[in-house]
Amino acid sequence: DAGVTQSPTHLIKTRGQQVTLRCSPKSGHDTVSWYQQALGQGPQFIFQYYEEEERQRGNFPDRFSGHQFPNYSSELNVNALLLGDSALYLCASSPGLAKNIQYFGAGTRLSVL
Amino acid sequence: QKEVEQNSGPLSVPEGAIASLNCTYSDRGSQSFFWYRQYSGKSPELIMSIYSNGDKEDGRFTAQLNKASQYVSLLIRDSQPSDSATYLCAVKRTAGGGNKLTFGTGTQLKVEL
Repeated sequence: DAGVTQSPTHLIKTRGQQVTLRCSPKSGHDTVSWYQQALGQGPQFIFQYYEEEERQRGNFPDRFSGHQFPNYSSELNVNALLLGDSALYLCASSPGLAKNIQYFGAGTRLSVL
Repeated sequence: QKEVEQNSGPLSVPEGAIASLNCTYSDRGSQSFFWYRQYSGKSPELIMSIYSNGDKEDGRFTAQLNKASQYVSLLIRDSQPSDSATYLCAVKRTAGGGNKLTFGTGTQLKVEL
């Protein structure tokens, strides 16, 4: 049973570029959440998708957008990259919008130069 | 005031000792509480969840919750070098839908031989 999978594992971009990160949830899970973790900090909630709709959003600018597909996989898009967007981006899945337990993928390490 | 506060550490304990990790939270609407372990460069791994006041034990781990004091703790008995990691406290407000997790900055634990 595959867990939460994310791709790519590492990514290097330059300021102003755009990036797309991908996530496949754990089997049987239909809810996907994205978090940003800067070095030395705890993960910060970006947004959550359920039934292909954004259900909840954290304090992130509109440069951060997402999508969920019918197979429950999800993408995180970041436009106009800033140096401060360098972080570990984590995807978490859960079996339902109100279910408590979230399981994290290995993350994508994004470096913006 | 941060929503979830943890002492960043490092907390150093000798092998075989009890490690005590603490967390306070500000939102009285928080109803679910979690401890995640994160090894350097890896993703968070859920080790304990607790929803009601009191203690919850799982192997060497015990989570303690006091909602009146807005306090949650994690005890690790018989600490092992493999327990050396950053421990993240996370809380969730179930009411209102969604399952956004709010994390603290984490406490670094070092178990010394």
